[in-house]
Amino acid sequence: GDSVTQMEGPVTLSEEAFLTINCTYTATGYPSLFWYVQYPGEGLQLLLKATKADDKGSNKGFEATYRKETTSFHLEKGSVQVSDSAVYFCALSDRGYNKLIFGAGTRLAVHP
Amino acid sequence: SAVISQKPSRDICQRGTSLTIQCQVDSQVTMMFWYRQQPGQSLTLIATANQGSEATYESGFVIDKFPISRPNLTFSTLTVSNMSPEDSSIYLCSVRHPNEKLFFGSGTQLSVL
Repeated sequence: GDSVTQMEGPVTLSEEAFLTINCTYTATGYPSLFWYVQYPGEGLQLLLKATKADDKGSNKGFEATYRKETTSFHLEKGSVQVSDSAVYFCALSDRGYNKLIFGAGTRLAVHP
Repeated sequence: SAVISQKPSRDICQRGTSLTIQCQVDSQVTMMFWYRQQPGQSLTLIATANQGSEATYESGFVIDKFPISRPNLTFSTLTVSNMSPEDSSIYLCSVRHPNEKLFFGSGTQLSVL
């Protein structure tokens, strides 16, 4: 079945460092891909998404490109801030958004 | 966007009891979902709550253990029945907004002793 694999955390970075969180997927058909973020004490929020190959999703300085050839959707940010400390989830869904399949989540801690 | 109120935010329960979790949305939505996040694991879809009909359960989840109600387009409940320590998880309500975006509640952290 469909699945999502993302790098294990925690990831600990200093402020202004470059961030990459790897995400690869296995799916039949052409899924949509998402990154969700969960800040401490809050619910999951959609960070960005891409719906077809070579699409780049971006938001709040974060970017991810839908790479069909490598079945990947890695999350990147050029300069992280302390406020980016959260748990990040990679996910995929079918075209109807009827079901999300999540990766295990990666906890990011950014220190001043 | 959709604002989701999920109650309770956390609870500690005794083995063998049941807990009902409520999910209230501030607007009418077509699809409501319930997810579970076991400690250190990813989120797993339990079921889709269908308005006016029985919920649709994913493989490994059954109605007797996780009965779901969806009386209208803004409200749903999930009951965790006859709880055991293995049910200790975070349970999340999710909705699909008419703009196709998915929104999540802040979750219910359940601990079963």
